[in-house]
Formats: sequence, C-alpha cells, structure tokens
Amino acid sequence: GQNIDQPTEMTATEGAIVQINCTYQTSGFNGLFWYQQHAGEAPTFLSYNVLDGLEEKGRFSSFLSRSKGYSYLLLKELQMKDSASYLCAVLDSNYQLIWGAGTKLIIKP
Amino acid sequence: SQTIHQWPATLVQPVGSPLSLECTVEGTSNPNLYWYRQAAGRGLQLLFYSVGIGQISSEVPQNLSASRPQDRQFILSSKKLLLSDSGFYLCAWGGREYTEAFFGQGTRLTVV
Repeated sequence: GQNIDQPTEMTATEGAIVQINCTYQTSGFNGLFWYQQHAGEAPTFLSYNVLDGLEEKGRFSSFLSRSKGYSYLLLKELQMKDSASYLCAVLDSNYQLIWGAGTKLIIKP
Repeated sequence: SQTIHQWPATLVQPVGSPLSLECTVEGTSNPNLYWYRQAAGRGLQLLFYSVGIGQISSEVPQNLSASRPQDRQFILSSKKLLLSDSGFYLCAWGGREYTEAFFGQGTRLTVV
C-alpha cells in the first residue's frame, strides 16, 4: 500500500528553527509537496520538490532524497503565525496526490 | 490568475437529507478537479477526481457522488446524508503540469 509518515505534533520556540520530517512509500514518484494549513482553513502551497536536494524559499526550505523516500521541511526564525499543520503529499505514478496526516506545529513564545 | 470558488463555507444538515456542494474554477481550462474530505486531525482523503467533463473517478466507496457538468464546475452530492459524512470538504484543482494544487476555501459539513 501507499503510506506517508510524519510526526503528529511538534513544539518549538519563537525565533528558533524546526525540521519536520516526512517519509513515504508510494507506487511511483512524480514530486513531493508541502502545504501549510491553519485550523479551519484550506491548505496553502509551500513547496514542490521533484529532484534530490534542497529548495529554499525565504524562511522555509524543503529537502528531498528520492533514494531514501525522505523529505523534510525546515522553518527558520519561527514566528507565532507559523503555528499550523504542515502536510506532506506525494504525487504518485498516476499523478494522484497521496497525503500524510499532517504535523501540528505549536510555537511557544 | 487562477481562482477556485467553493460554497457554502459551513453547512448543517439533518441525517437523511440531500447534499450539493459546488466548486468552480476560473482562469484555467481543462483542469484536473478533486474532492477531498478531511476528518479532524487527519490528512486529506481523496473522494473523487475528474480529468474532463463527465469523467469521474471514485476513490472511496460511499454514499457520495460527483459530477462535472462543465469544464470548470465540479459538484459533490448525496441523496441521503449519514452522520459519518460530517467533515471538512475541500475542492481542488491541478493543471496538467501539476506542480501545485489549489484549494477552495472548504466546506465544514455537520450532519445532525
């Protein structure tokens, strides 16, 4: 079966750095997405990785290792507004998005 | 620019009543369209997807159905709602190149 694993919840301090991991086992791979979802709202796009390596976008970076079936989202200089759930999703061989359950990130002052 | 509209934002329906949620997309043509459901604290569960008018694929057997009467319109329906149909429903679209999926605002459905 297809499976995406990410931690259920993480806590970090304002101004710090946090890394959210995602491991996946899917039938084929056509890219990996990270989305941010605030409570009660729709997910919003953060990043897309299809090749190995690190993609940086401001305070957010996303890393992919296809051979290891592994990705992480790195958030720097954490702000209170970063408190949200972070969803990892993989585009499989049929171009369907397989979603993880999400990681709830709690930021403390 | 591309936009996606989904309504209503919240809905409270009695068990056994019908359901119709509508989603429309602007600024693109021939999009892939998706209906997802998200239970509290869970990831997104794909319910239906469509690659064109009248073309619907169902991922999960349930008492829900979907239709795509026009290129940029996607409708989620039920003839008789169950309590277990409560959840957060999201419509999304992705282009053929599919490097991003865009979501509607979501509909919070509570079946009572």
